[in-house]
Amino acid sequence: GAVVSQHPSRVICKSGTSVKIECRSLDFQATTMFWYRQFPKQSLMLMATSNEGSKATYEQGVEKDKFLINHASLTLSTLTVTSAHPEDSSFYICSARFGTSYEQYFGPGTRLTVT
Amino acid sequence: LAKTTQPISMDSYEGQEVNITCSHNNIATNDYITWYQQFPSQGPRFIIQGYKTKVTNEVASLFIPADRKSSTLSLPRVSLSDTAVYYCLVGRRNNQGGKLIFGQGTELSVKP
Repeated sequence: GAVVSQHPSRVICKSGTSVKIECRSLDFQATTMFWYRQFPKQSLMLMATSNEGSKATYEQGVEKDKFLINHASLTLSTLTVTSAHPEDSSFYICSARFGTSYEQYFGPGTRLTVT
Repeated sequence: LAKTTQPISMDSYEGQEVNITCSHNNIATNDYITWYQQFPSQGPRFIIQGYKTKVTNEVASLFIPADRKSSTLSLPRVSLSDTAVYYCLVGRRNNQGGKLIFGQGTELSVKP
């Protein structure tokens, strides 16, 4: 149980285009989803917290107009990287939790490469 | 959220027991200690969680001294497949919406 999927697993896009990444909780209802970014050889950095039906809360330094997050249902959250640039190339990981549980379940990640 | 300090890297050989220690001097009364494992190009995976003394599951053991200012993740008889980055996290249940703040982690390399 507690499986989280991400789609796509890897994507290559051209500079200036937008990319959407989906995060789904497959067997539970995720009241909260989190988005992380991880550069090579570095730790995960929390980008934003997303609660179903409300606006995402972004961490300091993360541009909300560039990284659009939508959490329209209890099983789906999306991250859209708008006007992507090469410096946005990274590994994007989502996680989900249900209710007020402390445990988070992580997706497999999405490798974004902007050329 | 309490800050954690771990060794950046560790080397081991197959069959050995590996102990990774994490310092969290500013741990609060309601904080729990959680360890995650991450393989390259994958999301982190929960290993173990504890509050005090000792916790053991099928994968690892977690030792927490009485003052709780540190904790040790113990991996018995490691294999090559245990090569990964291990993260120690400290945080309160339900605090700040459940945010997890990852430190630098410990890169464990298991050699044959």
